[in-house]
Order: sequence, then structure tokens, then C-alpha cells
Amino acid sequence: DTAVSQTPKYLVTQMGNDKSIKCEQNLGHDTMYWYKQDSKKFLKIMFSYNNKELIINETVPNRFSPKSPDKAHLNLHINSLELGDSAVYFCASSQAAGQIYEQYFGPGTRLTVT
Amino acid sequence: LAKTTQPISMDSYEGQEVNITCSHNNIATNDYITWYQQFPSQGPRFIIQGYKTKVTNEVASLFIPADRKSSTLSLPRVSLSDTAVYYCLVGEGGATNKLIFGTGTLLAVQP
Repeated sequence: DTAVSQTPKYLVTQMGNDKSIKCEQNLGHDTMYWYKQDSKKFLKIMFSYNNKELIINETVPNRFSPKSPDKAHLNLHINSLELGDSAVYFCASSQAAGQIYEQYFGPGTRLTVT
Repeated sequence: LAKTTQPISMDSYEGQEVNITCSHNNIATNDYITWYQQFPSQGPRFIIQGYKTKVTNEVASLFIPADRKSSTLSLPRVSLSDTAVYYCLVGEGGATNKLIFGTGTLLAVQP
């Protein structure tokens, strides 16, 4: 009964490759997010979707492209992976958009680029 | 977006009450104060949220003074399993509001 799930949990790949991380929530939430946590544990928001529409798009390289096929899914595709992309990526969801709504985070995907 | 300042780390012993204070001097009128907890290798988890005065739930209390320029997360009788990073966040409730996670406070509970 996992509320927010991500696949894969670990991803090891080489520079220049293209990879995707999938996220699904079964909470019936309208809003989903992608965060990046670097080695220093800083957690930064990347994207937010509300009802499949992009509402937050932080300054991230164009190589990162989110896709929301429906309200329950928000996938993250990364092109031409670089060493600096190595981090833990968290997906999250909330009932609606805005800080007042509790966010539920997935277990994270640890991406290692070699 | 209001910036928050927290101690980098704190130590405690099992059974003690722990208070983690967060400073947010430029908090805006519409800002809420939210605390999240993160265990190693897990995503953050919502603990508590407040706007003013005191809020209490089954795991913690949140104290907010009248000027709202700081807030204190209180964890009663901590156990080893409370060892985690605690993040204080301040922001508006609007749809495009972003959760800005700072460095957080690493709480280490000793037996």
C-alpha cells in the first residue's frame, strides 16, 4: 500500500546516457513534485505539476524533462547524463498545490553517473 | 521567500524533551511554518504545521511567538528512532509556492 512509489530505487549509468525515473501516487492527489537532494543533503525542488499541468519549473538544465501522463504519475526523463546529475531524486505529492498541503515523499531514486 | 536558520546539529538522550528552534526573521503575513523529518535513505515526512501560537499533534508541538520571527519544534521524550534531520520551512500557501528546504538540524539521540 505504498502511497508514493518510485522506480528504480538505484540507477547507475554512464555519462551521456539517457534515463528515466518513474513515480506513481495512489493517494488521489492533484499535485506532484520532483526534488533533487545532493551529497550535502540540500533538497531542492525541480518541478511541480498540478492536474497534469506544469506550475513550477525551477532553473534546471533542459536535459531534464518531466512528463505527467495522468494525475497519478509524474516521470522524469534525463538526457545526456552528466557527473553532476548524481544525486538522490525524490518524487512527492500533495492534495493540492501550496505549502499548506502536506507533501508525501517517495523513497527516492539514487542516481549515480560514472 | 523567507529564509530559515536552524542549528546544524543537536544531541540528546533517550527520554528527554528536545526543542529545535528555527529563525525566520523576514516571515511574511501569509507564510505558514512547516516542519519535516527525514531519516537516512528515506524521503522527508511531514511532522507539523502552524501559523501562530501553539499547535500540537500526536508526535510534536510547535510553538510560535506573537512576532512569528521564530518557531520551536518540541519533541517530547525522544527515543533512538527520533534520530533524523529536521527541516523548518516557511512559505505561502499559494499554488506556486515552493518548499525551500534548508540544511536542517541533525538530531542525534543517544541511549
